[in-house]
Amino acid sequence: AQSVTQPDIHITVSEGASLELRCNYSYGATPYLFWYVQSPGQGLQLLLKYFSGDTLVQGIKGFEAEFKRSQSSFNLRKPSVHWSDAAEYFCAVGLNTGFQKLVFGTGTRLLVSP
Amino acid sequence: GAVVSQHPSWVICKSGTSVKIECRSLDFQATTMFWYRQFPKQSLMLMATSNEGSKATYEQGVEKDKFLINHASLTLSTLTVTSAHPEDSSFYICSAREVIKNTEAFFGQGTRLTVV
Repeated sequence: AQSVTQPDIHITVSEGASLELRCNYSYGATPYLFWYVQSPGQGLQLLLKYFSGDTLVQGIKGFEAEFKRSQSSFNLRKPSVHWSDAAEYFCAVGLNTGFQKLVFGTGTRLLVSP
Repeated sequence: GAVVSQHPSWVICKSGTSVKIECRSLDFQATTMFWYRQFPKQSLMLMATSNEGSKATYEQGVEKDKFLINHASLTLSTLTVTSAHPEDSSFYICSAREVIKNTEAFFGQGTRLTVV
């Protein structure tokens, strides 16, 4: 069965420091991969996506992610975190069903310290 | 980018009553809409997939008679929680998929339902 694992429930990063959020997936075919951010009480905003091509993808707000097929990973990175980045981050895999049903990871809550 | 609007943003209802949540695609035609439920501090769980003009497909364990989904037009899908109980209190989020671009689905801002 398809699954997405985000091993870190919480991460605390100092403002200005670099960030890496981990995501591993289990899916038989070539996956569609996504990272979303959710602020408290809000819906989801797409940060970036990978469908094919260059395995390093750039997103909004200075985020990037790298698809590594050999490791079944799609880790999210940002070189310098801002206090406004504090939120919940979800990794998701889109299933190739024709309707792109998404399977989400359990999320990682990012806390930014001064 | 494409915009998906959910209404209401939050709602409080009495136990035993029904509540309707709307999900609209404002600037594109969505043949497919998805309804998710999110429990506090947990991930999103897909409840059902609705295709315009046809019956929704529910995920295993989701009561279709309790969570009625209608997708009568290319811009509107509704989720009705019937005979709501406190355990139905949750954050409900819809997403809509654009027909032409065949890419990702766009999410609404969510609806916080509290049943008292």
